Amino acid sequence: SQQGEEDPQALSIQEGENATMNCSYKTSINNLQWYRQNSGRGLVHLILIRSNEREKHSGRLRVTLDTSKKSSSLLITASRAADTASYFCATAQGYSSASKIIFGSGTRLSIRP
Amino acid sequence: DTGVSQNPRHKITKRGQNVTFRCDPISEHNRLYWYRQTLGQGPEFLTYFQNEAQLEKSRLLSDRFSAERPKGSFSTLEIQRTEQGDSAMYLCASSLPDRGSPLHFGNGTRLTVT
Repeated sequence: SQQGEEDPQALSIQEGENATMNCSYKTSINNLQWYRQNSGRGLVHLILIRSNEREKHSGRLRVTLDTSKKSSSLLITASRAADTASYFCATAQGYSSASKIIFGSGTRLSIRP
Repeated sequence: DTGVSQNPRHKITKRGQNVTFRCDPISEHNRLYWYRQTLGQGPEFLTYFQNEAQLEKSRLLSDRFSAERPKGSFSTLEIQRTEQGDSAMYLCASSLPDRGSPLHFGNGTRLTVT
């Protein structure tokens, strides 16, 4: 079962442009994480935002969280060809320390040189 | 930190055969997850462990799937009587038990059932 849904499913932009991906989720969360996956590889953790935070930055990444709308966005600024990958949001359901991590369906990002 | 290791990297099997995959987590991580991923989709939760205890198993997982984590170290995922629909990438991840701890993924085992 998927907890989150990313939007758009696919995104193609020119190198140097900004890329924005959105994630919606269904249940209450403790935190939301974003991961990146290159083709044929495992996922790599990018950034985590807690439920009491509204915005977080890390390098060229900016994440926002709106718990009232149950949504998050990931912004990648000044995109590079190496940013081509799939991006997934993941949530820890509920507030138990034993919460499992559930992933969304992902956005496939292509950066055109 | 040698990372999460999964073996084999690829597995081709005939329908009806049993297969077993292995995951070696990062040594100090006591939480271990198994996910299944098909092309164009996100990782689908299968099961997870804290130490040797299996905390939850997806209701989508049939009885043909079983996972173990003896002694709380490496884990195995076995699929009995494989079906073509089992063809997918099987991903393992490990983490510390803290709620904010990121998952560290292996590169997966790609299963093809012919």
